[in-house]
Amino acid sequence: SQKIEQNSEALNIQEGKTATLTCNYTNYSPAYLQWYRQDPGRGPVFLLLIRENEKEKRKERLKVTFDTTLKQSLFHITASQPADSATYLCALDTPWEGTYKYIFGTGTRLKVLA
Amino acid sequence: NAGVTQTPKFRILKIGQSMTLQCTQDMNHNYMYWYRQDPGMGLKLIYYSVGAGITDKGEVPNGYNVSRSTTEDFPLRLELAAPSQTSVYFCASSLDRAGDSPLHFGNGTRLTVT
Repeated sequence: SQKIEQNSEALNIQEGKTATLTCNYTNYSPAYLQWYRQDPGRGPVFLLLIRENEKEKRKERLKVTFDTTLKQSLFHITASQPADSATYLCALDTPWEGTYKYIFGTGTRLKVLA
Repeated sequence: NAGVTQTPKFRILKIGQSMTLQCTQDMNHNYMYWYRQDPGMGLKLIYYSVGAGITDKGEVPNGYNVSRSTTEDFPLRLELAAPSQTSVYFCASSLDRAGDSPLHFGNGTRLTVT
């Protein structure tokens, strides 16, 4: 079955640097891959979506890439700020029992140091 | 728009007690979902609904029930609480089922069963 792997170790980076988070999946490439941000005690918030025929997507300081050969998506935050500190989840849709479901990674915790 | 609203935020149950987690959305979304999130695990789908009057089981439905009498509301019922149901529960909604339709999450209910 399809699985998502995100680095479970926290990522600490200095303010102003670019943070890069990785999302690997194990089987077939999904049609869509999404990234969410989750703050402590809150629900995930949608950030970006990338389709399988797109290599890259940008939104302000955020950039997502999608490499179906490597079965990997990278999530970049440029000019990172302490306010970017949060857990970032990737999610993809996968066929399941005649329909589709979203499966989520366990998330990578990012801490941006001032 | 309030988005997705969940109540209560916190609850402690004794083993064998019952409760209903409430979820309502004001975005007129047809699709609604219940997830649970445990430490170190990705979000797991409990139940979902594709519209009023239609519900279906997700990956981990045992011990739970749902109903969807209106587009707006999707309550989750725990009949006989067990310690294994200690978790954070998130309700979500989406405009469409397709993977290019982002999920909108509530801020969760933290449930402890002792």
